[in-house]
Order: sequence, then C-alpha cells, then structure tokens
Amino acid sequence: GQQLNQSPQSMFIQEGEDVSMNCTSSSIFNTWLWYKQEPGEGPVLLIALYKAGELTSNGRLTAQFGITRKDSFLNISASIPSDVGIYFCAGQSRLMNSGYALNFGKGTSLLVTP
Amino acid sequence: GAVVSQHPSWVICKSGTSVKIECRSLDFQATTMFWYRQFPKQSLMLMATSNEGSKATYEQGVEKDKFLINHASLTLSTLTVTSAHPEDSSFYICSAFPPGDYGYTFGSGTRLTVV
Repeated sequence: GQQLNQSPQSMFIQEGEDVSMNCTSSSIFNTWLWYKQEPGEGPVLLIALYKAGELTSNGRLTAQFGITRKDSFLNISASIPSDVGIYFCAGQSRLMNSGYALNFGKGTSLLVTP
Repeated sequence: GAVVSQHPSWVICKSGTSVKIECRSLDFQATTMFWYRQFPKQSLMLMATSNEGSKATYEQGVEKDKFLINHASLTLSTLTVTSAHPEDSSFYICSAFPPGDYGYTFGSGTRLTVV
C-alpha cells in the first residue's frame, strides 16, 4: 500500500507543552485514523475522521480531516508523561472487492519529560 | 467494545522450526483479518489479508509458502511462520474491522525472535 508522509519523525518536549503532527498523501482517503502505539503493544485507535473538514476531539487530542481529503493533523494539548509513544496516521480507503485498505504513515515518536 | 486478541504475545524459536500465531475477534465476527509486520522503529507493513473460507491475499514480496495463513472460522485467523530464520524476527500484529465506528482494531502483537 501507499506510504503516507508523516511529520515530524520525532519530538522531544516538556510536560505541559502542546504537540502537533501531520500527515499528507497524494491520494484521497475516505477516512483518516490516528493511532498510538506503546512499546510491545499493538496500535490503539485515538481518533477516526470520516468527513472532509471534520474536526474531532478526544480529551486533550484534536484531529482534523483536511478539506482535500489528502491530509490530517493531530494536536495534543498540555502533554503529560503518559503521552509518550509512537503516533501513526492511517488513511483508509475502500477496496473494489469490498473491505478496506489501510495505509500507514511512518510514525511520530513522542517523548515527554516531566 | 471490539476486541482483537492475539496469542502468544512473544515467542522464541530455533532457526528452522515453525511458529503459529493466533488472532481472534472476541466479540464480533470477522470475515477478513489482516496481518502486519513491524520492524524496530518502523511503521506497520501489511503482509496479507486473511479471508474466511478462501485463500489469503498476500502483498507483493511476501512469500505465501513461508507465511501460511488459515482463516478457519469467523473469529479466528492463524499465521504460521514456517522454517523460521533470524531475519523473520519481528513484531507481528493482526487486525480486523469490526462493525460500527471502531476503525481497524489491532491485536496486542506477537514478538517473534528466531535464534
């Protein structure tokens, strides 16, 4: 599948700071998903975006689905140490033979110091 | 919720042996499950799509005779790494797409180490 362009690759911030990361693609997706992965675990869904322009929040997390359907950003406000992990964006598209394909970004590694 | 259970969480095996990894959908039926591989500090790469009652669909470059997939029921898919070699050591993760607004749901992954 197509690899999405996710940036930044890593971030090292202090507790309390806000964080922003984004993903872009040359292809249009029906759905954008943001996952968090902690060491030795599978990714856990944070936010799902279904409509172009949609802005969705989940606690301190806010994500938006770009108008062109080719990009998305994720913001984390007032970061805390437990926000540490790798954040992946994923674009979901419907397959011709039914079902869905998921294309991942390369991930943003977030480190938060107390 | 929609839970995907994966077992074992880690396994160490000798080179040349085979290892089976199970992926179960606990509270929903999944006609399709997906198998990913993730190397350290890299993203998830789709290996194959497991289809209940039919053959799996493999991504380009993935050896179907080495990575055997069986989707025997609507809640279970297995990945068998045959004749494992050290270069097969990786983090293997399965996922499924439950009904409702859950998006893809992932298992907790299996860390395979071939020695």
